[in-house]
Amino acid sequence: GQNIDQPTEMTATEGAIVQINCTYQTSGFNGLFWYQQHAGEAPTFLSYNVLDGLEEKGRFSSFLSRSKGYSYLLLKELQMKDSASYLCAVLDSNYQLIWGAGTKLIIKP
Amino acid sequence: NAGVTQTPKFRVLKTGQSMTLLCAQDMNHEYMYWYRQDPGMGLRLIHYSVGEGTTAKGEVPDGYNVSRLKKQNFLLGLESAAPSQTSVYFCASSPGLAGDYNEQFFGPGTRLTVL
Repeated sequence: GQNIDQPTEMTATEGAIVQINCTYQTSGFNGLFWYQQHAGEAPTFLSYNVLDGLEEKGRFSSFLSRSKGYSYLLLKELQMKDSASYLCAVLDSNYQLIWGAGTKLIIKP
Repeated sequence: NAGVTQTPKFRVLKTGQSMTLLCAQDMNHEYMYWYRQDPGMGLRLIHYSVGEGTTAKGEVPDGYNVSRLKKQNFLLGLESAAPSQTSVYFCASSPGLAGDYNEQFFGPGTRLTVL
C-alpha cells in the first residue's frame, strides 16, 4: 500500500528553526510537495522537489532523498504566523497526489 | 482573479437528503479535483477530471457523483447523504498532471455535517 508518515504535532519557539520530516512509500514517484494549511483554511503550496537535494525559498527550505524515501521541510526564523499544519504529498506513478495526515506546528513566544 | 471558489461554505443535511457542491475556477486549468479532509487523516481524493466532459474515480468515490460540463466548473453530488460523509470538502485545480504543473490551487472548503 501507499503510505506517508509525518509527526502529528511539533512545538517550537518564535525565532528558532524547526525541521518537519516526511517519509514515504508509494507506487512510483513523480515529485514531492509541501503545503501549508492554517486552521479552517485551504492548503496553499510551499514547495516542490523532484530531484535529490535542497531547495531554498526564503525562510523555507525543502530537502529530498529519493533513495531513502525521505523529505524534510526546514523553517527558519519562526514567526507566530507560521503556526499551521504542514502537509507532505507525493505524486505517484498515476500522477495522483498521496497526502500525509499533516504536522501541526505550534509556535510559542 | 477569484481563483477557486466553492459553494456553499457550510451545510447541514439529514441522513438520506441529497445536495450538490459547486466548484468554479477562473484560471483556465484543465485538471480539477474533489477531496475530503477528516481529522487525523490526509486529504483523500474522491473524484477528479482531466478536462471538460471527463471524470474519473479517486481513492474514495463511493456515495458521490461528479460532473464537468464546463471547463471552469466541477460539481460534486451526494445522492443520499450518510453520517460518514460528514467532512470538509475541498475542490482544487491544476494546470497539468506532471511535475510542478500539478501544483494544486484549493478552494476555501465546504463544511458538511450529516445528522
